[in-house]
Amino acid sequence: GESVGLHLPTLSVQEGDNSIINCAYSNSASDYFIWYKQESGKGPQFIIDIRSNMDKRQGQRVTVLLNKTVKHLSLQIAATQPGDSAVYFCAENFNNAGNMLTFGGGTRLMVKP
Amino acid sequence: DSGVTQTPKHLITATGQRVTLRCSPRSGDLSVYWYQQSLDQGLQFLIQYYNGEERAKGNILERFSAQQFPDLHSELNLSSLELGDSALYFCASSVDTGQATNEKLFFGSGTQLSVL
Repeated sequence: GESVGLHLPTLSVQEGDNSIINCAYSNSASDYFIWYKQESGKGPQFIIDIRSNMDKRQGQRVTVLLNKTVKHLSLQIAATQPGDSAVYFCAENFNNAGNMLTFGGGTRLMVKP
Repeated sequence: DSGVTQTPKHLITATGQRVTLRCSPRSGDLSVYWYQQSLDQGLQFLIQYYNGEERAKGNILERFSAQQFPDLHSELNLSSLELGDSALYFCASSVDTGQATNEKLFFGSGTQLSVL
């Protein structure tokens, strides 16, 4: 169940360091954004979300930043742990009628012990 | 565990065949979504059902169809299968109050389809 796109960008970090994963979204009308984590053999797992009327939201060890001017989203993971190793996807919603999410291509995070 | 159940976990079949993938949403969730994840396309939205009715359609082929039953479980039917249909198929669900409030989706573990 692993997303192993041939051209999947990879971020390699040392355990304990902070990680920043970036995402450029496509539609300026999007008003809701989510970060998902996908581990091998599993489905995407919700991490954190943010609405377009905010530019920052914090969770447990994670922070999402939204820059609507340049249509950019980032996920910051503090004190990265081996269990954070996974593929991370950003998703946007610009179809309120259907609550449909459009996903980005994903970034693989590898945490070195 | 997301609470979304998909069966089977793995499916191996031949070209030209037809298969049915099944999804049970989280208890209380009214909306079901189907996504396809392949190596070169990432996660692609296929179709959404809300309380038994089709609500949104994405990049779903005419050979594919879905339905949502009164008990809210959903099935995705894939027919005349081709090699390129090999992929992971995910089901997701959300509460969906019907008021377009933007809600997070909860995903199942997926069905890995291999067409030989």
